Amino acid sequence: EVQLLESGGDLVQPGGSLRLSCAASGFTFSNSVMNWVRQGPGKGLEWVSTITGSGDATYYADSVKGRFTVSRDNSMNTLSLEMNSLRAEDTAIYYCAKGRGVFDYWGQGTLVTVSS
Amino acid sequence: EIVLTQSPGTLFLSSGERATLSCRASQSVSSTYLAWYQQKPGQAPRLLIYGASTRATGIPDRFSGSGSGTDFTLTISRLEPEDFAVYYCQQYGSSPLTFGQGTKVEIK
Repeated sequence: EVQLLESGGDLVQPGGSLRLSCAASGFTFSNSVMNWVRQGPGKGLEWVSTITGSGDATYYADSVKGRFTVSRDNSMNTLSLEMNSLRAEDTAIYYCAKGRGVFDYWGQGTLVTVSS
Repeated sequence: EIVLTQSPGTLFLSSGERATLSCRASQSVSSTYLAWYQQKPGQAPRLLIYGASTRATGIPDRFSGSGSGTDFTLTISRLEPEDFAVYYCQQYGSSPLTFGQGTKVEIK
């Protein structure tokens, strides 16, 4: 059974930093493209970032480019999102999701709140 | 960036009725790279349809997708109580990946 478990969400001040993690199991992690998708309070879904299975290519939405960094540890089956220079508009539930283009499995999400 | 516009915003229907949800793209979606997701309150989205018309694993056949180019439709043939939720379309044919704003299917 595919399982994705996010962690690391917290309340952080504007300009602060946070690191999210996603622990994966039930599939061959190193062969899988992984993604971060977020959902602001009462809002729709927004793609944030994608990383290839080997980690040699990464992609970002313009809204986070230069501030967020996605990475993975295939030996630990873990996906990470390093978030810097956080803004109020980054407040959201952050989901990790498996899949190339199509997100076939999702974690339950972790809440990031950016507020003073 | 491809903008996806879903309509209607809210659909009020009863169990057993047919639901027809629309997703219109601002430019053609290449190779029908269009997906549909269902999201219930407090839950993560669930993949229903990909490739515009292929049901994901375990999705009941009352869910069907159709369309190409800029116009896509999700149809639920007979609504079950568990189908009342928010539905999102998503294109993955070009970067950035984008979602529609969602259609809420509510109980009438």
